[in-house]
Amino acid sequence: EIVLTQSPGRLSLSPGERATLSCRATESVSSNYLAWYQKKPGQAPRLLIYDASTRATGIPDRFSGSGSGTDFTLTINGLAPEDFAVYYCQLYGTSFTFGPGTKVDI
Amino acid sequence: QVQLVESGGGVVQPRKSLRLSCAASGFAFSRYSLHWVRQAPGKGLEWVALISYDGSNIYYADSVKGRFTISRDNSKGMLYLQMNSLRGEDTALYYCARDLYTSWYGPSDSWGQGTLVTVSS
Repeated sequence: EIVLTQSPGRLSLSPGERATLSCRATESVSSNYLAWYQKKPGQAPRLLIYDASTRATGIPDRFSGSGSGTDFTLTINGLAPEDFAVYYCQLYGTSFTFGPGTKVDI
Repeated sequence: QVQLVESGGGVVQPRKSLRLSCAASGFAFSRYSLHWVRQAPGKGLEWVALISYDGSNIYYADSVKGRFTISRDNSKGMLYLQMNSLRGEDTALYYCARDLYTSWYGPSDSWGQGTLVTVSS
């Protein structure tokens, strides 16, 4: 079973800065079947990125995903005030494990 | 637009049962796989179960296997989660979510607002 780890656990940044979030898998992820979600308190999760680097519908282009194999990155270029949230990576295809999350706060 | 509305949550005693429902609208329900995902208080997201578009393929997280049963009624646009032998660690906000794809098992692009299950004596 593939396990996902995310780092850092918490990222303290200011609006306008760049956020770089890491998601690492214990085995190579088949076909880069990896997604990123944004989660805010009291709201449902929001799909940001799938297939490691494809932005979901309506997601601003300041969000980008990259990586392959076991190492994946979510980058947020120019943090907007509404981007402060918890971000999760998730496998899909044959396993649907979530990572533990990275909290991005001010 | 896609709408998913969960119901059926509440307070239940350990070892008892509860059935969650999710009413779907705004899309071709019978074409999409569906997931249940939960979030315990102060914790991260945990995938719970998946059912394929026609109900022929079902998968569970190890933590709920043998206790929870996912099902769907395509004629009614409804998704269900039957939860038996509930434990304190099942306390969570339960979300139903639609799969992005119609032909594979992908990430979830549409989510309900969740229904809260509290397991407590």
